Amino acid sequence: DAGVTQSPTHLIKTRGQHVTLRCSPISGHKSVSWYQQVLGQGPQFIFQYYEKEERGRGNFPDRFSARQFPNYSSELNVNALLLGDSALYLCASSLAGGEQPQHFGDGTRLSIL
Amino acid sequence: AQKITQTQPGMFVQEKEAVTLDCTYDTSDQSYGLFWYKQPSSGEMIFLIYQGSYDEQNATEGRYSLNFQKARKSANLVISASQLGDSAMYFCAMRNRQTGANNLFFGTGTRLTVIP
Repeated sequence: DAGVTQSPTHLIKTRGQHVTLRCSPISGHKSVSWYQQVLGQGPQFIFQYYEKEERGRGNFPDRFSARQFPNYSSELNVNALLLGDSALYLCASSLAGGEQPQHFGDGTRLSIL
Repeated sequence: AQKITQTQPGMFVQEKEAVTLDCTYDTSDQSYGLFWYKQPSSGEMIFLIYQGSYDEQNATEGRYSLNFQKARKSANLVISASQLGDSAMYFCAMRNRQTGANNLFFGTGTRLTVIP
């Protein structure tokens, strides 16, 4: 079975632009979470979606938004990009409930010039 | 508030030897879960092992085992018979209940280098 897939793998943008990152979860997984990993740090939680509804939001500004589609894939949108948004963006999927482990994709490396 | 502390920024181990990566945590929850992930240079986070707070025995998965000491709030990862492919960043994480969602709160990680 395919793992979590993310696109694109790399992206270069300039300040003020917006970006859309995409994620397809493992087949059967209905929960998708997004994380931001700045160089030298651990991932930080941005959003979680389950059954197309937002179930959690981390400490990120309103420039960050996300949605989940009927096929459980997800998009992360970031508006008015800042230099500090340069990071690896990771998507993770999991089965619902309990202490199910999250399975991560390879990430999208976003660079802001 | 929840907190994960990994005090070893970098560790070196000889191939075929065992190594312990430290993780201490802080939480006011009675029920919680602890995870270890491996992150190679490619960027993907690979799930290694899970320990629930009520689990009686330490978790094991192949060459990975978790030395869980609840009273000391530590959940150290032990890798036995190290291989060159084990060289990577290792993150300890806890289920983050503060946001009400199924997400993880990560430590700062330990970079493991396996020496031939």
